[in-house]
Amino acid sequence: ILNVEQSPQSLHVQEGDSTNFTCSFPSSNFYALHWYRWETAKSPEALFVMTLNGDEKKKGRISATLNTKEGYSYLYIKGSQPEDSATYLCAFRGNTPLVFGKGTRLSVIA
Amino acid sequence: NAGVTQTPKFQVLKTGQSMTLQCAQDMNHEYMSWYRQDPGMGLRLIHYSVGAGITDQGEVPNGYNVSRSTTEDFPLRLLSAAPSQTSVYFCASRAGQAIQPQHFGDGTRLSIL
Repeated sequence: ILNVEQSPQSLHVQEGDSTNFTCSFPSSNFYALHWYRWETAKSPEALFVMTLNGDEKKKGRISATLNTKEGYSYLYIKGSQPEDSATYLCAFRGNTPLVFGKGTRLSVIA
Repeated sequence: NAGVTQTPKFQVLKTGQSMTLQCAQDMNHEYMSWYRQDPGMGLRLIHYSVGAGITDQGEVPNGYNVSRSTTEDFPLRLLSAAPSQTSVYFCASRAGQAIQPQHFGDGTRLSIL
């Protein structure tokens, strides 16, 4: 079973702070890395799918980078807002179906 | 479009009962999958299907059956419910290419007494 690790497990930040968290995955047999945003009582929603080493994606105040050689991706949130409070999941796609990390739970305090 | 629709949203079963969790998608997606979400665990893959008539096991398939007779529907059957199957179940679908994102249903919260 592949290991996809996310850190930190949880994070509390003040409104307006910028923050980032990490997803670590196997550096071999890489095909794609997914990021999802999961609000409480809702279902996960796709943020980014990244495939190329050095790839950077951006959606509003949220961006992500990818390093496939060393097996990590960073998700950044600039100027956090209370509505950013959610669990952020990454998922690794190699030569097997998607393997999800356990997520980083972000709480933004107004 | 409705996207991915799961029914029921909530269910309570007694140990040993059987039931089917329904999943339907209206996006003509080839790939469908079932996950379970447990406290402290990531989403774990139960079964998946790459197209009608084709299914395969995921990480935690024991105690569950699936079938894919149509592109739209991918039901998950619990043969003889056990307390260890108490969980939140999510169905997901995506278009054929593996780089496409998954679209998730709203989940089914299942309790086995």
